[in-house]
Amino acid sequence: AQSVTQLGSHVSVSEGALVLLRCNYSSSVPPYLFWYVQYPNQGLQLLLKYTSAATLVKGINGFEAEFKKSETSFHLTKPSAHMSDAAEYFCAVSAQGAQKLVFGQGTRLTINP
Amino acid sequence: DTAVSQTPKYLVTQMGNDKSIKCEQNLGHDTMYWYKQDSKKFLKIMFSYNNKELIINETVPNRFSPKSPDKAHLNLHINSLELGDSAVYFCASSLGPGSSGNTIYFGEGSWLTVV
Repeated sequence: AQSVTQLGSHVSVSEGALVLLRCNYSSSVPPYLFWYVQYPNQGLQLLLKYTSAATLVKGINGFEAEFKKSETSFHLTKPSAHMSDAAEYFCAVSAQGAQKLVFGQGTRLTINP
Repeated sequence: DTAVSQTPKYLVTQMGNDKSIKCEQNLGHDTMYWYKQDSKKFLKIMFSYNNKELIINETVPNRFSPKSPDKAHLNLHINSLELGDSAVYFCASSLGPGSSGNTIYFGEGSWLTVV
């Protein structure tokens, strides 16, 4: 079975500062990993995904994530936060044979002016 | 053009009522899903259909009944609504089952409030 843990339900950074949202996964088989973003009162939008190609994955809006098998992590980063990045971020995992996407509990990102 | 569209977006109804949420995708995908997001933002899969066949049925009360008339549509009917059913329900679709690493595309959500 797969599971995801997102460290920190709420992260607050200043505009222009580094954004780091943490995600650790558990999977008995090689995982597929995803980051989604949810803006208020909207659906989920894919930021990026890892599917066993390059370990450093670049996504939309300047975000990127690095798959580290030894640490079972897939942390999301952005070098410089923008006010428009304020949203809820979800890490998710699936795996061959799993048939479904399992989500972490989400991290709310707040950007301070 | 909205890829995954669901209606209604907002629904307020009384306990005991029966309601339906409709979903359509125009992406040509074979697999569709219903996810539930609770008040703490936690997302959990409820059902998944692949080519109109039910492939995932999580531990969901049998008051919830999905129906897929064709692979572009997946509707959710809820009988005898309870207060605890208040949540956001997301329809989603993917090219194939999530096990292949396919991206899952989500609709805008249906906010259900039971009073």
